[in-house]
Amino acid sequence: DAGVIQSPRHEVTEMGQEVTLRCKPISGHNSLFWYRQTMMRGLELLIYFNNNVPIDDSGMPEDRFSAKMPNASFSTLKIQPSEPRDSAVYFCASSLTGTETQYFGPGTRLLVL
Amino acid sequence: DAKTTQPTSMDCAEGRAANLPCNHSTISGNEYVYWYRQIHSQGPQYIIHGLKNNETNEMASLIITEDRKSSTLILPHATLRDTAVYYCIVRLRLTGGGNKLTFGTGTQLKVEL
Repeated sequence: DAGVIQSPRHEVTEMGQEVTLRCKPISGHNSLFWYRQTMMRGLELLIYFNNNVPIDDSGMPEDRFSAKMPNASFSTLKIQPSEPRDSAVYFCASSLTGTETQYFGPGTRLLVL
Repeated sequence: DAKTTQPTSMDCAEGRAANLPCNHSTISGNEYVYWYRQIHSQGPQYIIHGLKNNETNEMASLIITEDRKSSTLILPHATLRDTAVYYCIVRLRLTGGGNKLTFGTGTQLKVEL
């Protein structure tokens, strides 16, 4: 099993640019989570999906952030326009509903200049 | 979900048992205790979880007090690779819609020679 796959692993962009982060969950998992981690705020849940449907997006910071899950094997987190304060590590995780274990990807390190 | 309190940091000698405490005095009867860890620059990793009884798996043991207001994660023979931030999380076990986790600041465990 390849685990949760995230791309890109590193992203450097300029303020105002659009950023798209990608995630492929573990095959068979039907819950998907997007987290953001910074030194100041720690690990925060942004949004999670169950069976491709967004269940809770209360952690999404503002309208500049959007997430989609068009099918069971792919999700995107988009930031448009990006700002320096969006610099962080973004993690994607997946799990099988009804089980207790979330499996995290390696993260995408985003730097907005 | 109940709030947890953990020491900021702990040290442990390699080969010795590492005992990581967690206080969750406001835990309710149907809330579970979960432990995850995050090795530097990696995504969090599930360790173990429990409700009332003590639990053991290939990674660790979880000891929950009888009143369930605190718990201890035990790594029986700590190695340098166990150096990480350890998160204690208390949450309801949802019957559907995913298993949302709220990460606190955790305990930085440093295993030394």
